[in-house]
Amino acid sequence: AQTVTQSQPEMSVQEAETVTLSCTYDTSESNYYLFWYKQPPSRQMILVIRQEAYKQQNATENRFSVNFQKAAKSFSLKISDSQLGDTAMYFCAWATSGTYKYIFGTGTRLKVLA
Amino acid sequence: NAGVMQNPRHLVRRRGQEARLRCSPMKGHSHVYWYRQLPEEGLKFMVYLQKENIIDESGMPKERFSAEFPKEGPSILRIQQVVRGDSAAYFCASSPPGTGGTYEQYFGPGTRLTVT
Repeated sequence: AQTVTQSQPEMSVQEAETVTLSCTYDTSESNYYLFWYKQPPSRQMILVIRQEAYKQQNATENRFSVNFQKAAKSFSLKISDSQLGDTAMYFCAWATSGTYKYIFGTGTRLKVLA
Repeated sequence: NAGVMQNPRHLVRRRGQEARLRCSPMKGHSHVYWYRQLPEEGLKFMVYLQKENIIDESGMPKERFSAEFPKEGPSILRIQQVVRGDSAAYFCASSPPGTGGTYEQYFGPGTRLTVT
């Protein structure tokens, strides 16, 4: 069965510094998508970044970037120049191409300190 | 373009009552997905619907839970005879036709159900 593991339940970072959230997954599929979602206190799920497995280039979105290691089945999220508004739960998710069942990890609670 | 709308945002029910959760997908979206988030856990897939059709309900509990997405109006997730273990946040997501839902699902703000 496909699983997504986030081994860091909580993390904190000083404002303006960089933090990396880890995510590993287990699958035998070769074509799939990986996602990072942010869930602030409002609980709205917001897509932060998406990576297609067939693309070797790591995805970036402004201050957010990923380190996608397909062989190691690792998909970490790096947040640069952390801001107070980045305080949230961050969920890693996986979906095989052509399906709609996102598999979510248990989340990492990130707190950005002033 | 309004996002995915869910109402109510908070719902309190006593054990044994019925809970009805509503989801209006984004304009132009014809695929709706329901997920449940138990405390301190990630979201778990429950059901996938298209207009007037349940495509996949493999994540739904076999009893007391049902979902529909009528031709007109919002999608409804219905929980009959609620129990304390149903307390959770229920999220709806939608995707446009033709994408299969893999590329991106747009999530609503969720409904937090509390069973007392």
